Amino acid sequence: GESVGLHLPTLSVQEGDNSIINCAYSNSASDYFIWYKQESGKGPQFIIDIRSNMDKRQGQRVTVLLNKTVKHLSLQIAATQPGDSAVYFCAEKEGGSQGNLIFGKGTKLSVKP
Amino acid sequence: ETGVTQTPRHLVMGMTNKKSLKCEQHLGHNAMYWYKQSAKKPLELMFVYSLEERVENNSVPSRFSPECPNSSHLFLHLHTLQPEDSALYLCASSQVRGPGYGYTFGSGTRLTVV
Repeated sequence: GESVGLHLPTLSVQEGDNSIINCAYSNSASDYFIWYKQESGKGPQFIIDIRSNMDKRQGQRVTVLLNKTVKHLSLQIAATQPGDSAVYFCAEKEGGSQGNLIFGKGTKLSVKP
Repeated sequence: ETGVTQTPRHLVMGMTNKKSLKCEQHLGHNAMYWYKQSAKKPLELMFVYSLEERVENNSVPSRFSPECPNSSHLFLHLHTLQPEDSALYLCASSQVRGPGYGYTFGSGTRLTVV
């Protein structure tokens, strides 16, 4: 699942610090958003989702914030661990049950021990 | 294991070869997808099958031919590919109508065209 050669935005954090990964989405009609994590050699894995009628949702060590006014999504990871090192993608779903998921370009998170 | 299994994991093929990628999902989903992930354009949607009917074909060249014989299986038939087709090919599945719309991905097939 590695994106060899892809020039991704990179975020480097120290183990134990909090991480914030940002994403700008394009379609104001999108009503559902997901964050995926892709580790080397694997496909994208679901982390957390949020619907457009919410502005915040919390999971285990992760929080997603949605700002519809500026079409911005963020993923906060608390107490970042080496196992969090991966590429993170946001995805937006077009309104309606038949809408496809549209993926962002991804951010590479590197955690320094 | 995500419940979506792709084979083979790695494939090297010549430009004149014919090969097929296979995807199988054990999640009871009714929609399946092929994505291409390359160095230049990550996660491009190629094909969508919903209830075993192809509902989307995103201007994919005819050298890629999908097949969905049932809701659990999806194939991508490859013929006379070009070196620029080298990429990671990801299969995903989802429930078209349900409480959530997230896709579950397989681990992908790393394709190299020589």
